[in-house]
Amino acid sequence: RKEVEQDPGPFNVPEGATVAFNCTYSNSASQSFFWYRQDCRKEPKLLMSVYSSGNEDGRFTAQLNRASQYISLLIRDSKLSDSATYLCVVNSANTDKLIFGTGTRLQVFP
Amino acid sequence: DARVTQTPRHKVTEMGQEVTMRCQPILGHNTVFWYRQTMMQGLELLAYFRNRAPLDDSGMPKDRFSAEMPDATLATLKIQPSEPRDSAVYFCASGLGETGGSQPQHFGDGTRLSIL
Repeated sequence: RKEVEQDPGPFNVPEGATVAFNCTYSNSASQSFFWYRQDCRKEPKLLMSVYSSGNEDGRFTAQLNRASQYISLLIRDSKLSDSATYLCVVNSANTDKLIFGTGTRLQVFP
Repeated sequence: DARVTQTPRHKVTEMGQEVTMRCQPILGHNTVFWYRQTMMQGLELLAYFRNRAPLDDSGMPKDRFSAEMPDATLATLKIQPSEPRDSAVYFCASGLGETGGSQPQHFGDGTRLSIL
């Protein structure tokens, strides 16, 4: 079983739609959680950290369920520019290592 | 904005040749990571350093790959001899690391390596 698992997609949604991505992780001792975004042929970029109480940044909302070892990302009012691959990232407990999921691809169409 | 700088951006060479990739981390960051990304495997950690000391290189093929950090402003990843299966995008990332937790990492633009 992979340490971080994501649905690869693609998710094809119209502009303005709400879309949610899910991710599960296997190491219950993991402490830090992130969502990264990667555009085609570009480097991964931090989108947002994920906190236990859940957090929001504009149209993006991240949730963490430690009991179920589950992380989610909700994007409201999708824009064409949101088209990218979204990587779920979890730290390897007590190290600086980050474990990246293989990503969920999002395509927003007009 | 401070950025991680990687060189070269692209490299095409024949199998058997030595390849050296370089990375300048963000000033003040104490952890440096090397990743490899392919379509099939996604993003894999090859090695990482904290305060220039190698902490984990378990993801790296030891027989042909080597990673070093000669000073705080330079990290290198070498492949000798290179093989076609090494073709991938190699990313360097840096961050402010501490044991027991993790901070976000900031990635360079990557080196696109093609071994013929």
